[in-house]
Amino acid sequence: DIVMTQSPDSLAVSLGERATINCKSSQSVLYSSNNKNYLAWYQQKPGQPPKLLIYWASTRESGIPDRFSGSGSGTDFTLTISSLQAEDVAVYYCQQYYSTVYTFGQGTKLEIK
Amino acid sequence: EVQLVEFGGGLVQPGGSLRLSCAASGFTFSDYSMNWVRQAPGKGLEWISYIRNDGSSKYYGDSVRGRFNISRDDAKNTAFLQMNGLRAEDTAIYYCVREGLGASYSQYWGQGTLVTVSS
Repeated sequence: DIVMTQSPDSLAVSLGERATINCKSSQSVLYSSNNKNYLAWYQQKPGQPPKLLIYWASTRESGIPDRFSGSGSGTDFTLTISSLQAEDVAVYYCQQYYSTVYTFGQGTKLEIK
Repeated sequence: EVQLVEFGGGLVQPGGSLRLSCAASGFTFSDYSMNWVRQAPGKGLEWISYIRNDGSSKYYGDSVRGRFNISRDDAKNTAFLQMNGLRAEDTAIYYCVREGLGASYSQYWGQGTLVTVSS
C-alpha cells in the first residue's frame, strides 16, 4: 500500500499569516498517461465529516476560498493557506487515490497562535 | 443538493455482524462510485471499501478484507456495508462517501454513523 506521511503533525499560525502543510507519498501518485497527480486534500472540523478542498493535487473544489492552494507532483505535495482565518482551524488530511487501496495521511492539526 | 445519509450503526458484541446503509439523493446514483471511510474515536481517517458505479469492481482495505462486503442497489439509490466478525478495533464512525464523476477523490461525505463493538 502507498503510505502517506504528513508534516508537521500540528501547526500553530497567527491570523493572517501563511500556513503550510506537507504530504509525502511512499511512491509516485503521478499517472503518466494523463499527467495527473492522484492526490486530494480534506479539511475536517470538530464534529463534522471531512470536506474536500483540493483534488488532482492543485484543483480547488467549487466553493473553496482561493486562500487554499495545493501544489507538488510525484511524491511531494503541499497545502497552503495564504492568510489564515479563524474558521480554518481544523485537521487537514491528504489522500492518494492512485492505487486501488486509497490511503490517507495521519492528519495535521492547525491551530491559531 | 447531494445528500448521503448513513443508517444502521449501533452497539454490537465482538464477533457479531452489522449492516450499514447509505441512502443517496440529489444525483444520479448509478453514475458514481461509492466508498466507505471510517474514523476511530480521536483518530484519523481510514479508507475501507470501494464499489464501482456499475458494481463490477470492489476493493477493501487490509484491515477489513474477508470480513466486510460492500454492495449497492441502484434502484433504491443505496449503498451497503455488511460487516461480519466485528472486533473492538472496528469501533468508529463510518462515513459513506461519493466520488467525483469518473475520478476517485472523495467529493461528498455523509454525516457518519457510529459503530461500537463491545461486550
